[in-house]
Amino acid sequence: EVQLVQSGAEVKKPGESLKISCKSSGYTYTRYWIGWVRQMPGKGLEWMGMIFPDDSETRYGPSFEGQVTISVDKSITTAYLQWSSLKASDTAMYYCARGTDGYYSDWFDPWGQGTLVTVSS
Amino acid sequence: QSVLIQPPSASGTPGQRVTISCSGSTSNIGSNYVYWYQQLPGTAPKLIIIKNHDRPSGVPARFSGSKSGTSASLAISGLRSEDEADYYCASWDDSLSGHYVFGAGTKVTVL
Repeated sequence: EVQLVQSGAEVKKPGESLKISCKSSGYTYTRYWIGWVRQMPGKGLEWMGMIFPDDSETRYGPSFEGQVTISVDKSITTAYLQWSSLKASDTAMYYCARGTDGYYSDWFDPWGQGTLVTVSS
Repeated sequence: QSVLIQPPSASGTPGQRVTISCSGSTSNIGSNYVYWYQQLPGTAPKLIIIKNHDRPSGVPARFSGSKSGTSASLAISGLRSEDEADYYCASWDDSLSGHYVFGAGTKVTVL
C-alpha cells in the first residue's frame, strides 16, 4: 500500500525557519514525483511545486518560486518543504502527494494527511 | 484568482444529478488532461477522475467526467449524502515553464 506520512503540526513565530517532512512507503520511491500543495484556512488548493527524487529535479509554482525550498533525501524516502523566514500569511495546511513518473506529473494521488503550520506572534 | 474557473457552489437532493463546470484556456485544459479531486470535510483531497473521464479503482460509477475544448465537467449521478464535499478540477498548464493549476473548488451540498 502506498502511504505518505507527514510530520506533525507546527506553531512558529514570524521570521522563524521551518522544515516539514513527508515520508513515503509502499512503492519505488525514485520513480515518482512528489508534490506539495497549500490550503490556506477556508480556501482552495494551491500547487506549490514538486520534486523528482531520483535526480532532485524541482519545479515550483509561479507564486512560490523563491518563497520556499523543496528537497528530498531518497535514502530515507522523505521529501521536505522548507521556509527560511516565515510570515503570518504562511499559516495553512500543507499536503504532500505522490505524482506520476515521466517528464512532469499531471496528477497526484495518494496524499499525505497534511501538516498544519500556524505562524503567529 | 484561480486559472481554472469553477462555480463556488452546487446542490441537489439525494438521487439527483449534479454537474460542476471547469473553464480554462488553451494552455491548460485545451491542451492537457483534466483531473478531479474530492475533499471531504477535514480530510486530504482524493483523486476521483483521471485523464478527463477515467475513474481510479474504487471510485463509484456515479462520478463521471468529460472535456470539450477548454472546458470540463464533473457529474455526480444518484447524489448521496456522503458526496457532500469540495470538488476541485486541475490540469497541467504549459505557460511559464509549466506548472499545475487547480480550480477554486465547488462546494457540493446535499439538501
